[in-house]
Amino acid sequence: ETGVTQSPTHLIKTRGQQVTLRCSSQSGHNTVSWYQQALGQGPQFIFQYYREEENGRGNFPPRFSGLQFPNYSSELNVNALELDDSALYLCASSLVRGNTEAFFGQGTRLTVV
Amino acid sequence: GIQVEQSPPDLILQEGANSTLRCNFSDSVNNLQWFHQNPWGQLINLFYIPSGTKQNGRLSATTVATERYSLLYISSSQTTDSGVYFCAVEPQEDGGTSYGKLTFGQGTILTVHP
Repeated sequence: ETGVTQSPTHLIKTRGQQVTLRCSSQSGHNTVSWYQQALGQGPQFIFQYYREEENGRGNFPPRFSGLQFPNYSSELNVNALELDDSALYLCASSLVRGNTEAFFGQGTRLTVV
Repeated sequence: GIQVEQSPPDLILQEGANSTLRCNFSDSVNNLQWFHQNPWGQLINLFYIPSGTKQNGRLSATTVATERYSLLYISSSQTTDSGVYFCAVEPQEDGGTSYGKLTFGQGTILTVHP
């Protein structure tokens, strides 16, 4: 059984560019959630995908978007990057949508210059 | 939305000491998890503990959901315990359901000196 994996591990982008981050959920998990963690802060919920549909969204603008694929892997897309988007992006998978344990990947560290 | 407060924000210990980390939350929850974030950023699951008490080696946790707090105990601390400890809760939505959105506290930074 494989855990949650994310790619890439590190990324540097220029302000205004677009970025795609990827996440493979743990085997058997159909729910993926994305979090943003700024330096010195706790992770903040971006959105969740359940069976290929967005199933809840935090306080993030529409330029943060996502996808979930039939194999339950997921992408996080961020358009028109801003300097404040520099953060650690974490993906979590869980067996079902709620009332269950979430498992996190190692994260993607995004730097916007 | 739900508020999660962790205390203390920073904790410095000598190896072998015991410690207690606290997590207070402002509303009913269906899920509570404790994590240890390693220096590379990965969140390591310590406990899934919506209520009751659990133990895993030198670590144990207790959640009293009716009083809206959880405690993480670390005994005989080691230098490898250093890092940031997060409490995260899944709020109970209307009707008692929940949808897996975790709200994190600000974390406790633990430093264990040899």
